[in-house]
Amino acid sequence: GAGVSQSPRYKVAKRGQDVALRCDPISGHVSLFWYQQALGQGPEFLTYFQNEAQLDKSGLPSDRFFAERPEGSVSTLKIQRTQQEDSAVYLCASSVVGGYQETQYFGPGTRLLVL
Amino acid sequence: QQPVQSPQAVILREGEDAVINCSSSKALYSVHWYRQKHGEAPVFLMILLKGGEQKGHDKISASFNEKKQQSSLYLTASQLSYSGTYFCGTVTNAGKSTFGDGTTLTVKP
Repeated sequence: GAGVSQSPRYKVAKRGQDVALRCDPISGHVSLFWYQQALGQGPEFLTYFQNEAQLDKSGLPSDRFFAERPEGSVSTLKIQRTQQEDSAVYLCASSVVGGYQETQYFGPGTRLLVL
Repeated sequence: QQPVQSPQAVILREGEDAVINCSSSKALYSVHWYRQKHGEAPVFLMILLKGGEQKGHDKISASFNEKKQQSSLYLTASQLSYSGTYFCGTVTNAGKSTFGDGTTLTVKP
């Protein structure tokens, strides 16, 4: 595809359920970022991959959050035992080369609601 | 540390100008500007690198004062399509990326 795609677009989970959010970056993009965006706030950094290597996971809020990119393309963000405070839009972004200095192209996001 | 944006919100009439500011307490390597419309993904506007850049395209331009760790986004002769929330994203010299909380711009006819 031409842009970054994410699935599902919307996810409703009961508290305590596990969820998996998928990101398909732009083909050939080396870097992939995950962000969490709460209502009315800017995106907050979660984690960063360069190819399959997770170079920075300092933004993951707890050990319930886990991200992987095993083949250096598609990435999955997994949230275990979801809590109400996990409700947010999860944005994925990719960029051509490595590092934070490049333009990031964002996907449409997955809106997660935990009841 | 998250950059601070000001103002938080601004309302304009078509054709008026606006300035959105972004400041950081950390030494910055670069500043990115994005616009996000309700329910959509942020869309890249421009990136400014260390060195005191000023950039622009169409009627939107930006400046970066690395000594003050500040950037400003200038929107001139605003159009209805400019409405949305503008975010600055900063990258520190240590390579950390953070976004401000956004400035909501509303352009009215």
